[in-house]
Amino acid sequence: EAGVTQFPSHSVIEKGQTVTLRCDPISGHDNLYWYRRVMGKEIKFLLHFVKESKQDESGMPNNRFLAERTGGTYSTLKVQPAELEDSGVYFCASSQTGFGTDTQYFGPGTRLTVL
Amino acid sequence: KQEVTQIPAALSVPEGENLVLNCSFTDSAIYNLQWFRQDPGKGLTSLLLIQSSQREQTSGRLNASLDKSSGRSTLYIAASQPGDSATYLCAAPASGGSYIPTFGRGTSLIVHP
Repeated sequence: EAGVTQFPSHSVIEKGQTVTLRCDPISGHDNLYWYRRVMGKEIKFLLHFVKESKQDESGMPNNRFLAERTGGTYSTLKVQPAELEDSGVYFCASSQTGFGTDTQYFGPGTRLTVL
Repeated sequence: KQEVTQIPAALSVPEGENLVLNCSFTDSAIYNLQWFRQDPGKGLTSLLLIQSSQREQTSGRLNASLDKSSGRSTLYIAASQPGDSATYLCAAPASGGSYIPTFGRGTSLIVHP
């Protein structure tokens, strides 16, 4: 069974540009999560999808971040326009049932560097 | 607001030692607590998930305990091996009965032969 995959693995962009990160969850997992780790800080929750619906987006830093999950399969996280403080590693995770009841399976992350 | 602290931040030990990694959390009204492992350049791998009604969970050489009243969890690694070298992360739900995990900064472990 394939795990959670993320693309790209690395992205280097300039301030003001747009970047789109993609996450493919494990097949059959309705729950998809995005997290971010800024260098030197702890991993922080961004948002949670159940199928195509946003269950909780309380962790999204601001309106420069837009997450979608069309059709309840893969998800994208777009940052537009990117700022220096957006640099970090963006992780995606998926699970069959929701928080607290099931193990989350994490992808390898996308390392984003904004210059 | 839930805060999760992990001590020590880094640990380097010879192979074979028994290890204790500590995690403390400020809000004890949690549903569960989870320990993860992260290898360099990889995602997180769930090691143990302890529900609030449990005191501990075991998986192979790993044992995690949970003491909600004191706001502490401990990950015990028996007979450490070089393959155990990784960063170990603890996550407890955010405050207010939320399920959203709050992560600690992790303990970076190196086990040398």
